Amino acid sequence: AQSVTQPDIHITVSEGASLELRCNYSYGATPYLFWYVQSPGQGLQLLLKYFSGDTLVQGIKGFEAEFKRSQSSFNLRKPSVHWSDAAEYFCAVGVRNTDKLIFGTGTRLQVFP
Amino acid sequence: DAGVIQSPRHEVTEMGQEVTLRCKPISGHNSLFWYRQTMMRGLELLIYFNNNVPIDDSGMPEDRFSAKMPNASFSTLKIQPSEPRDSAVYFCASSAGTEAFFGQGTRLTVV
Repeated sequence: AQSVTQPDIHITVSEGASLELRCNYSYGATPYLFWYVQSPGQGLQLLLKYFSGDTLVQGIKGFEAEFKRSQSSFNLRKPSVHWSDAAEYFCAVGVRNTDKLIFGTGTRLQVFP
Repeated sequence: DAGVIQSPRHEVTEMGQEVTLRCKPISGHNSLFWYRQTMMRGLELLIYFNNNVPIDDSGMPEDRFSAKMPNASFSTLKIQPSEPRDSAVYFCASSAGTEAFFGQGTRLTVV
């Protein structure tokens, strides 16, 4: 069965520091992969997605993610975090031939000045 | 486009009452999803429609929950009767096949 694991429930970083949020997936074929961000009281906004091709994907707000098939991972990175990046981040896998998304449990990011 | 529109944004109701949540998807999107978000269970897919037809309702928790999509521009999620454990944020999302766009959610509190 398809599943997504985000091992880190909560991460705290200082503003300006680099960031990496981990995501591992379980899927029987080449997955569609997504990262979404949710600010408090808001819906989810797409940061970036991977369907095929270049395994390093650039997204909005300076985020990028790298698909590593050998590790079944799709980690999200940002070289320098801003205070406005404090939010909850969700990794998701898309089920092929449907539009369904299966979400991880999320990682809450806290940014200290 | 105004995005996915959900109403109401907040709903407080008494146990046993009927609750109806509404969603207007983005025009031209042919898939619509209802998700529930709680601290304990995270984001759960309740049901999804494609071209107004329910495709997968395996996530609907029990018979008290029902969803309809009478046309391409409107969907409802109904809970009857509501229970305190239904308290959650309910999200509607729509998709044209590549990515899902989410509404701002309805925060439901059942007391």
